[in-house]
Amino acid sequence: GENVEQHPSTLSVQEGDSAVIKCTYSDSASNYFPWYKQELGKGPQLIIDIRSNVGEKKDQRIAVTLNKTAKHFSLHITETQPEDSAVYFCAASPNNDMRFGAGTRLTVKP
Amino acid sequence: GAVVSQHPSWVICKSGTSVKIECRSLDFQATTMFWYRQFPKQSLMLMATSNEGSKATYEQGVEKDKFLINHASLTLSTLTVTSAHPEDSSFYICSAGGGAVNSPLHFGNGTRLTVT
Repeated sequence: GENVEQHPSTLSVQEGDSAVIKCTYSDSASNYFPWYKQELGKGPQLIIDIRSNVGEKKDQRIAVTLNKTAKHFSLHITETQPEDSAVYFCAASPNNDMRFGAGTRLTVKP
Repeated sequence: GAVVSQHPSWVICKSGTSVKIECRSLDFQATTMFWYRQFPKQSLMLMATSNEGSKATYEQGVEKDKFLINHASLTLSTLTVTSAHPEDSSFYICSAGGGAVNSPLHFGNGTRLTVT
């Protein structure tokens, strides 16, 4: 089955700086890659996703890149704000069998 | 956007009792829902896939007789933790998709279960 690895496990940045979270996947059949943000005591919320026919997608301060050849994808958050502090999960899905990375705890210091 | 409602948000029960958690898709129909367990500071562990009108598919190592799943309609799936023990204390989360292949999953807000 699919195996998703996520790095780093924790990330601390100063407000206004950029944050980058990286994930790799193992199953070349994976063709859908969402990113979720989970705040304390809540369920994960979808923040952005990308499909395998696209190399990059951007939504305001958030962008995701995908390298299918290398089987890795990344989340980029620019101009970070304290409210971006949360746990972020990447996921990869070959035909609806979605598997999650271990998560990255992002702390944005004011 | 798609909304998934999960109830209760937290529950405390005594050892040996059973607890039912509900997961509803409010504005879309979900033929498939997923149940996860999350330990503190860890990722989401898929427990089972709930299929409307048929038996759930459990992940390896998950006791189907302990974690009963029922998906009686296109908008409701329930997870019942039977004969709960303190080691069942955890955060349980459900999710549902829009039905199309590789459509986004939308999560409920989770249920914090504490077994005393």
